[in-house]
Amino acid sequence: DTAVSQTPKYLVTQMGNDKSIKCEQNLGHDTMYWYKQDSKKFLKIMFSYNNKELIINETVPNRFSPKSPDKAHLNLHINSLELGDSAVYFCASSQLVDSYNEQFFGPGTRLTVL
Amino acid sequence: KNEVEQSPQNLTAQEGEFITINCSYSVGISALHWLQQHPGGGIVSLFMLSSGKKKHGRLIATINIQEKHSSLHITASHPRDSAVYICAVRSRIQGAQKLVFGQGTRLTINP
Repeated sequence: DTAVSQTPKYLVTQMGNDKSIKCEQNLGHDTMYWYKQDSKKFLKIMFSYNNKELIINETVPNRFSPKSPDKAHLNLHINSLELGDSAVYFCASSQLVDSYNEQFFGPGTRLTVL
Repeated sequence: KNEVEQSPQNLTAQEGEFITINCSYSVGISALHWLQQHPGGGIVSLFMLSSGKKKHGRLIATINIQEKHSSLHITASHPRDSAVYICAVRSRIQGAQKLVFGQGTRLTINP
């Protein structure tokens, strides 16, 4: 069974389009995250939701909007895509227990903006 | 300067060699993670530790909280260990627990 799944795995689109990436976890975790991995393979957190509430919102453009319909899902919507948005986006989840919470990552979505 | 620094950035070794990857951090942490990113892109959590040492198979992770340093060791390395190894620290920043990542160490094990 897939613990953290993302769709689509690959996304190629034109500049200016609006696109969404979906993430689902079946681990019963309370907290979900979106990370961006740039061309230099550097991972950075973008957003974190705990029980459908936004708890981390890094300095990302307003064009990025996370949406959590329930605690098993955290989708990422991106408006007016730009060339610089090309990256691999990873979703992850964890069970927030005190300070210790191992994170489980999705397979990633490779976004290419042309 | 990044809050989490790894060394080396690239490491090539022969099968069977003992491997050490280092991670130093400059922030207060509640835990440190070692992650493995396969050539196909998937990320797997190897260890999460807040003190001492953990061992899983041929992998050993240690952390020294006072020195703000952690090491990941691989004994009897094998070509299938070839991957990018990422150190990440869990730190409370602006009231929220966040993972801050190192830049990764690309390990290549030749047969």
